[in-house]
Amino acid sequence: EAEVAQSPRYKITEKSQAVAFWCDPISGHATLYWYRQILGQGPELLVQFQDESVVDDSQLPKDRFSAERLKGVDSTLKIQPAELGDSAMYLCASSRDRNTEAFFGQGTRLTVV
Amino acid sequence: LAKTTQPISMDSYEGQEVNITCSHNNIATNDYITWYQQFPSQGPRFIIQGYKTKVTNEVASLFIPADRKSSTLSLPRVSLSDTAVYYCLVGPEHSGNTPLVFGKGTRLSVIA
Repeated sequence: EAEVAQSPRYKITEKSQAVAFWCDPISGHATLYWYRQILGQGPELLVQFQDESVVDDSQLPKDRFSAERLKGVDSTLKIQPAELGDSAMYLCASSRDRNTEAFFGQGTRLTVV
Repeated sequence: LAKTTQPISMDSYEGQEVNITCSHNNIATNDYITWYQQFPSQGPRFIIQGYKTKVTNEVASLFIPADRKSSTLSLPRVSLSDTAVYYCLVGPEHSGNTPLVFGKGTRLSVIA
């Protein structure tokens, strides 16, 4: 069964450092999401891509966060500089089209120290 | 999107039936009710969806009264592996290009 792949699974970084997460969606999935999940909360949308274009980044803290999906396939989410409050699980999800469901990856757990 | 309210946590013994109720008083005519399950250190996964009355699959049953202002997820004979957070969501039938809006979910702990 195809899965959304994310790496790394765990990342520890010092505050003010740069950190990046990678997501490889299920093959053929045009829509890709990045969510952030703080401990004890549900996931919250950061950014949505349709192919290589950003559809919604209204909740992305653009002063420190950036996301790209250059060829409309895999995607990278970057934080620079990282802050203590960025400690969370970062989840990637993808879907084929509007009439299908989105599938989540296992996430990257970030700890900022 | 309609807001949902569900219990923060529930405990159950193995082998029991667990019912988790979700309130969604402002559900729209076109909205579906969808439940997701999330295990620790994993992403959420779809478990069941319904529009009205009752839906059953190999994992759970979903009961929706006629007014659709609430719904109940029923897990038959839970086991330790059912320990997870369960999220109730209200929105379009498919999440293909509509972001999911999660609440805090219900943390189910199954005890031996």
